[in-house]
Amino acid sequence: GESVGLHLPTLSVQEGDNSIINCAYSNSASDYFIWYKQESGKGPQFIIDIRSNMDKRQGQRVTVLLNKTVKHLSLQIAATQPGDSAVYFCAENIAAAGNKLTFGGGTRVLVKP
Amino acid sequence: EADIYQTPRYLVIGTGKKITLECSQTMGHDKMYWYQQDPGMELHLIHYSYGVNSTEKGDLSSESTVSRIRTEHFPLTLESARPSHTSQYLCASMNRGDGYTFGSGTRLTVV
Repeated sequence: GESVGLHLPTLSVQEGDNSIINCAYSNSASDYFIWYKQESGKGPQFIIDIRSNMDKRQGQRVTVLLNKTVKHLSLQIAATQPGDSAVYFCAENIAAAGNKLTFGGGTRVLVKP
Repeated sequence: EADIYQTPRYLVIGTGKKITLECSQTMGHDKMYWYQQDPGMELHLIHYSYGVNSTEKGDLSSESTVSRIRTEHFPLTLESARPSHTSQYLCASMNRGDGYTFGSGTRLTVV
């Protein structure tokens, strides 16, 4: 059924500042991780991914860090812009389990002008 | 530009009606998925397919059914809609081990 996302953590950030969004994953067998951005009324949009044999990957204004020891993933957004306001989800994939992505709870990012 | 299309975008329907949510992709991907998402909440896998004539149930139990007669088409059907089915339904496809491409979703309201 439908419910309001009252439990969605929110990160409020000033425009131009850096944002860091954290995610804990559960399965040590996960071999591929993805960050998605979801704007209101739209489907999730791919931002950046990282494979388990890496600990850092950089894209345009975004960096993903992977710490397999503590099963932690983070997304860093440099110089956050108003267009970055959205809900961000991390997802983990286990190829051996058939490439089914498991999503974590989202984080809402609100960019203040 | 998304190459995976979902219709309708919004649907309001009465209890007991049969509905089919459409999903089509033009990328030739073998793997396709249906997720259910309540507003602001995480996505839950309800169905997936690895190719034509392949369908499996996902991690979240759902009263819906799916079919995969053609590679590009993966419709989801609810035989008798109920208010508890009110949610957003997201379709995705994947090529090999890369990330999913999602459609824009269908927001379903059952009254």
